[in-house]
Amino acid sequence: GDSVTQMEGPVTLSEEAFLTINCTYTATGYPSLFWYVQYPGEGLQLLLKATKADDKGSNKGFEATYRKETTSFHLEKGSVQVSDSAVYFCALSETDRDDKIIFGKGTRLHILP
Amino acid sequence: GAGVSQSPSNKVTEKGKDVELRCDPISGHTALYWYRQSLGQGLEFLIYFQGNSAPDKSGLPSDRFSAERTGGSVSTLTIQRTQQEDSAVYLCASRLQGGDGELFFGEGSRLTVL
Repeated sequence: GDSVTQMEGPVTLSEEAFLTINCTYTATGYPSLFWYVQYPGEGLQLLLKATKADDKGSNKGFEATYRKETTSFHLEKGSVQVSDSAVYFCALSETDRDDKIIFGKGTRLHILP
Repeated sequence: GAGVSQSPSNKVTEKGKDVELRCDPISGHTALYWYRQSLGQGLEFLIYFQGNSAPDKSGLPSDRFSAERTGGSVSTLTIQRTQQEDSAVYLCASRLQGGDGELFFGEGSRLTVL
């Protein structure tokens, strides 16, 4: 079945560093791709999404590009802040299963001041 | 309501007891999902309801787990004869039909089985 694999954490960076969190997927169809974020003590919320190949999702300085050729959707940010410390989840929406949504295991990010 | 509401927020039970977890989705959202979040395991899909269609139960880990959704709104996840490995945070999410995949999550129900 469809699946999502993302880099294991925790990832620890200094403030203003460049961030990449890798995400690759396996899918039989043409899924939509998402990044969700869980800030400490809060519920999961959508960070960004892309619905077709070569689309770029962006929000709060984060970006991710839907790469069909490499089946990837890596999350990037040019200059991280302490407030970006959270757990990040990559996810896909299975197009052939009426929108069942599958998540990766999550990557915990720590930003040091 | 304003958001997805889950209850109880915390539940401690003894091994072998049955538990019920409740989810009240956002009004008008036709799709409802249950996930389990365990340390180191990420978000594990359990079950998915969409309107009046038969639910997708493919993620339920055993026959001790069941869920129902009454009147297309409130959902209850039931775990019978709980085991210690059932300890986790159970998350509910809802979505508009055709809402382009954005899920709205509740705060979760933390279950501890002693």
